Amino acid sequence: KNEVEQSPQNLTAQEGEFITINCSYSVGISALHWLQQHPGGGIVSLFMLSSGKKKHGRLIATINIQEKHSSLHITASHPRDSAVYICAVLLLLGNEKLTFGTGTRLTIIP
Amino acid sequence: DTGVSQNPRHKITKRGQNVTFRCDPISEHNRLYWYRQTLGQGPEFLTYFQNEAQLEKSRLLSDRFSAERPKGSFSTLEIQRTEQGDSAMYLCASSLYSVYGYTFGSGTRLTVV
Repeated sequence: KNEVEQSPQNLTAQEGEFITINCSYSVGISALHWLQQHPGGGIVSLFMLSSGKKKHGRLIATINIQEKHSSLHITASHPRDSAVYICAVLLLLGNEKLTFGTGTRLTIIP
Repeated sequence: DTGVSQNPRHKITKRGQNVTFRCDPISEHNRLYWYRQTLGQGPEFLTYFQNEAQLEKSRLLSDRFSAERPKGSFSTLEIQRTEQGDSAMYLCASSLYSVYGYTFGSGTRLTVV
């Protein structure tokens, strides 16, 4: 079992829909990252969370440390939001490397 | 500063050849990471530098792989005697401290034919 699990693996929605992507992890963490990866490979950091909720534009990220769960929400989705969204965690036990989920491929249809 | 720069963006090589990739991190970042991503998977950790010291290497990093970060600036990742299984996206990231977050490069896509 992976330490970081994302769902769904693939998500197709109509433009304007509210999108939710989920991330669950099984280990103690010091921070959780939501990342966006477009075709071509480059990764952009969207959020880093250790508690609570963050909002940037149409994107909202929440984390529940007790339940070991985080969600990424996109309001008023747009075709340019189509990308792979990856959850990654920084483990609590001292090492510096990120452990990644397998990603959620989001396609927004006009 | 233009962010984390990786070169080349794409590399096609024949099986058995050696390849070298370069990563230029953000100049004030003392931490540099290499990850490998295969199709449909999330990135996997390969190795990590703090300044010029290589502090951790994954078991994924076989003897054919070597990474350096001379003088704590740019880093190179070399793969010797490439195999088809080495085909992947190689991602570099840098940070000042992990709590401040990471900046990723655009990756080098390696295809071994």
